Amino acid sequence: QQQVKQSPQSLIVQKGGISIINCAYENTAFDYFPWYQQFPGKGPALLIAIRPDVSEKKEGRFTISFNKSAKQFSLHIMDSQPGDSATYFCAATNYNQGGKLIFGQGTELSVKP
Amino acid sequence: DAGITQSPRHKVTETGTPVTLRCHQTENHRYMYWYRQDPGHGLRLIHYSYGVKDTDKGEVSDGYSVSRSKTEDFLLTLESATSSQTSVYFCAISESRGQETQYFGPGTRLLVL
Repeated sequence: QQQVKQSPQSLIVQKGGISIINCAYENTAFDYFPWYQQFPGKGPALLIAIRPDVSEKKEGRFTISFNKSAKQFSLHIMDSQPGDSATYFCAATNYNQGGKLIFGQGTELSVKP
Repeated sequence: DAGITQSPRHKVTETGTPVTLRCHQTENHRYMYWYRQDPGHGLRLIHYSYGVKDTDKGEVSDGYSVSRSKTEDFLLTLESATSSQTSVYFCAISESRGQETQYFGPGTRLLVL
């Protein structure tokens, strides 16, 4: 019940295309869903996050879509650029769990010029 | 990397030897975390701390211990390293728990032969 399942494992997108990464969770007590971006040799960094009281959050080219009834959320990267090539992790947590993030398995995104 | 340093950055050791990894922060954040990152598993929480001398286990704590004697330092010890502990280890910090950004350090790559 603590798992967060992420797909696909890897993704190749042409420059200018839309990248879509999906995550599913089981624990309905989760109340915060962040996405982290990691470049090779670096630590992950927060990209965008959403709370379950909204269905969508947009920041620039990055959008999270959240479906509470389906227990799914996804990251959409519009107009994908080669600089977006990185590994993306979804995560989930509950306040009462002391900030312990449960991460998905990661998606390696490659944007081809 | 938000004022977080990890040492050493790379280490090769032999099975059965003790290993200590250090995380140092200059942000005065209360919460500190140790994760390990392995292909196909994303990031998994080993231990975390919610204050000086206050620590708790994460999902993969077996074989690891931690200590926090000062706000700025969080040590991870492998009492007797095994090959299954070959991984990249990340330290993270946050101001508070739950819906707060976790800031990650640059990571330590550990190889246990």
